[in-house]
Amino acid sequence: GAVVSQHPSWVICKSGTSVKIECRSLDFQATTMFWYRQFPKQSLMLMATSNEGSKATYEQGVEKDKFLINHASLTLSTLTVTSAHPEDSSFYICSAEREAYNEQFFGPGTRLTVL
Amino acid sequence: ELKVEQNPLFLSMQEGKNYTIYCNYSTTSDRLYWYRQDPGKSLESLFVLLSNGAVKQEGRLMASLDTKARLSTLHITAAVHDLSATYFCAVVFNTNAGKSTFGDGTTLTVKP
Repeated sequence: GAVVSQHPSWVICKSGTSVKIECRSLDFQATTMFWYRQFPKQSLMLMATSNEGSKATYEQGVEKDKFLINHASLTLSTLTVTSAHPEDSSFYICSAEREAYNEQFFGPGTRLTVL
Repeated sequence: ELKVEQNPLFLSMQEGKNYTIYCNYSTTSDRLYWYRQDPGKSLESLFVLLSNGAVKQEGRLMASLDTKARLSTLHITAAVHDLSATYFCAVVFNTNAGKSTFGDGTTLTVKP
């Protein structure tokens, strides 16, 4: 149990386009999901906390109008990178928190390349 | 400031040797996690440490937590090549609403 999926696993897009990444908890309900970004050879940086049915909470320095997060159900959160630019190229990883387990379960990640 | 410091950042070991990775954190926490990341992959959960004195072992890896010293260790026993990866500790600080703060990671290379 406690499987988290992400789709797509990789995407290449042109500068100025928008890209949507889905994060699903497959076998449990997640009231809280987290979105991270990881640049090559660096650690994970938390971008935002996504709560089902409410607005996401963004970390300092993360543009909420650029990185749109929607947590529509207890098993799905989406991250939309709007008007993507080459500097948005990164590895995006989501995680879902399973209550009573005191643990986050991580998705396999989405590699975004903006040309 | 909420900080998590890992050391060393890079570690090259011979197979069969032992070594310890250290994770220090800046303020009170009741939850600490260790993860493994292989190149191009996401995180794999290794250990969940939830109380002072907690010790967990899985195979050649053993993790411990000292909340008073704000220190966790990941000990590697008789390293093998398959352990080559980047290891992260992550701390959920009591004042940070359940969010994890990650260390910079320790890249381990085990050589024959």
